[in-house]
Parts: sequence; C-alpha cells; structure tokens
Amino acid sequence: AQSVTQLDSQVPVFEEAPVELRCNYSSSVSVYLFWYVQYPNQGLQLLLKYLSGSTLVESINGFEAEFNKSQTSFHLRKPSVHISDTAEYFCAVSAGNTDKLIFGTGTRLQVFP
Amino acid sequence: NAGVTQTPKFRVLKTGQSMTLLCAQDMNHEYMYWYRQDPGMGLRLIHYSVGEGTTAKGEVPDGYNVSRLKKQNFLLGLESAAPSQTSVYFCASSLNSVRVNQPQHFGDGTRLSIL
Repeated sequence: AQSVTQLDSQVPVFEEAPVELRCNYSSSVSVYLFWYVQYPNQGLQLLLKYLSGSTLVESINGFEAEFNKSQTSFHLRKPSVHISDTAEYFCAVSAGNTDKLIFGTGTRLQVFP
Repeated sequence: NAGVTQTPKFRVLKTGQSMTLLCAQDMNHEYMYWYRQDPGMGLRLIHYSVGEGTTAKGEVPDGYNVSRLKKQNFLLGLESAAPSQTSVYFCASSLNSVRVNQPQHFGDGTRLSIL
C-alpha cells in the first residue's frame, strides 16, 4: 500500500529566508507525485506535479520540488519566502495502478515579518 | 469560471438528521471525489466516481452514500448524522485518473458541524 509522510506539522520561518518542506512516500510501484497548497478557508490548489524525466519540478511562484527515487522523497523548497506563502502544504502520491490520491497530513508554513 | 462548486458552505445538524452535500463541476471532468479534512489527519477519501453512473468506496466510506446521476454533479449523503462526522468536506474533480498524472481540482469546502 502507498503512504505519504510529511515529517513536519508546522514550519515557522522569517520572511525572505529559505524553506524546505519534507515529504517521503512509500510505494512498490511507480508513482506520480503532487504538491498542493491550501490558503485559509479555501480548497486545495495544485502547486506542482512530478512528470517523468527531469527530477526537478518548478512552479510559477518560485517553489520547486526534487524527486529523489533512491530516498523516496519529494521535498518542496523555496529560496526566499514571502508573507503570502503562509498556508498549509500537502504532499500527495498516486501509485500507477489506482485511481486514488493519498495525501500526507500537511505542513503548516507560517512566515513571519 | 466556476470550476468546482460546493453547496452549502456551512451547515449545523443535530445527531440523527440527514442531509445531502452537492458538488457541481463545469469542466466536463470524468472523475469526481469526496474527501473529509480533519485536524492532523490531512485529507481522507470518502467515495469517488470514475464516470456518470459509477461510484466506488474510498478510505472512510462508512456512514456516507453518494450518487453520480449526472456527469457534472456528485452528491454526498449522510443518512443519520453523527458527531464523528463533524468535519470539512471537500469535493474534487479531474479530467482523467491520477494514474495518468491528471491533477485534481478542488472546491472551497463545506464546514459541517454535528451537535
């Protein structure tokens, strides 16, 4: 069975500092990986997704995630965060033989001025 | 540009009452999903549908029923509400399955409290 672990439930950081949100998955088959962001009182929005090929995936707002097959990780990074990045971030995985998406428990990123 | 619309946005029920949550999408998506979100537990799949007239169980289906009579609508029903069903419910849709790397699009959620 597939599972997703987000090791940090909360990550506090000052504005303009770098941040890394960790995500590890377990699966015995090939996977598709996603990061979603949830702003307060809103639904989830797709931030980025892993496509086969390049291990580094970038989003339009400066976030990037690196797929590491040997470490079964898909960590999310941003070199300089902004106050507006304050939100909850969810890592999700789907295995190749299912229609279901498995979500991690989420990491709340709190950016302070 | 509505996307996924959930109705109602808020609801308070008494234990034992029934209700239906409505999800509507205008993107002609085949797949639709119902999740519940609880603190510290992320999103858990309740039921999903791979096309009009189909439904399937997710991770936590007990106490819920669903119907997909029209492609654009996916209904979630609670026949006899229990306090453990107090949660935020999210509907999502996707053009195709995640197994072909299709992302899911989410509604803004329904906050349901069972007293």
